[in-house]
Amino acid sequence: AQTVTQSQPEMSVQEAETVTLSCTYDTSESNYYLFWYKQPPSRQMILVIRQEAYKQQNATENRFSVNFQKAAKSFSLKISDSQLGDTAMYFCAFMNPQGAQKLVFGQGTRLTINP
Amino acid sequence: GAGVSQTPSNKVTEKGKYVELRCDPISGHTALYWYRQSLGQGPEFLIYFQGTGAADDSGLPNDRFFAVRPEGSVSTLKIQRTERGDSAVYLCASSLSPAAGANVLTFGAGSRLTVL
Repeated sequence: AQTVTQSQPEMSVQEAETVTLSCTYDTSESNYYLFWYKQPPSRQMILVIRQEAYKQQNATENRFSVNFQKAAKSFSLKISDSQLGDTAMYFCAFMNPQGAQKLVFGQGTRLTINP
Repeated sequence: GAGVSQTPSNKVTEKGKYVELRCDPISGHTALYWYRQSLGQGPEFLIYFQGTGAADDSGLPNDRFFAVRPEGSVSTLKIQRTERGDSAVYLCASSLSPAAGANVLTFGAGSRLTVL
């Protein structure tokens, strides 16, 4: 079974700073997908970024980028020029593309951006 | 609809009661998922529907939990004889049919269940 671990329960940075959230996972699969989701107080999970394991190039979405290290099974999220609206819970998730394609989530990191 | 709609937003019930939580997915999405998120935790998979059938119910914790999707659209999660440990946010997500490649899920805002 796959597991996802987020070792930082909480993080706090000043507005405009760069912050990196850590995520490690465990799997015996060679083909899979990794995701970062944001969950604001409204509770709705919002997709931030997605990485396909067979792609070596790290995914980037505007201020959000990942550092995907497949051999180390590490998938960190970097947020550049952080904004107050980035304050939320962030969840790392793993997906096996076979079968139901269900997500396995980490425990989450609570990120606070301070003015 | 434009997004995944879940009702009720909040539900408070007493131990031993029966509850139903409803999910209305995005129109045209054949895949539907239920997840449970306990306080301070990440969501955990409960059940997956492809069309009307439950293709994977391996995450349901016990036989008090049941879900249906009779017409392949709206789904209802049913919990019998509720226990205090059932208190959580129940999230629903939908997507186009999982084919080749990753399946991007759209989540609803969840139903917060509190069992007193």
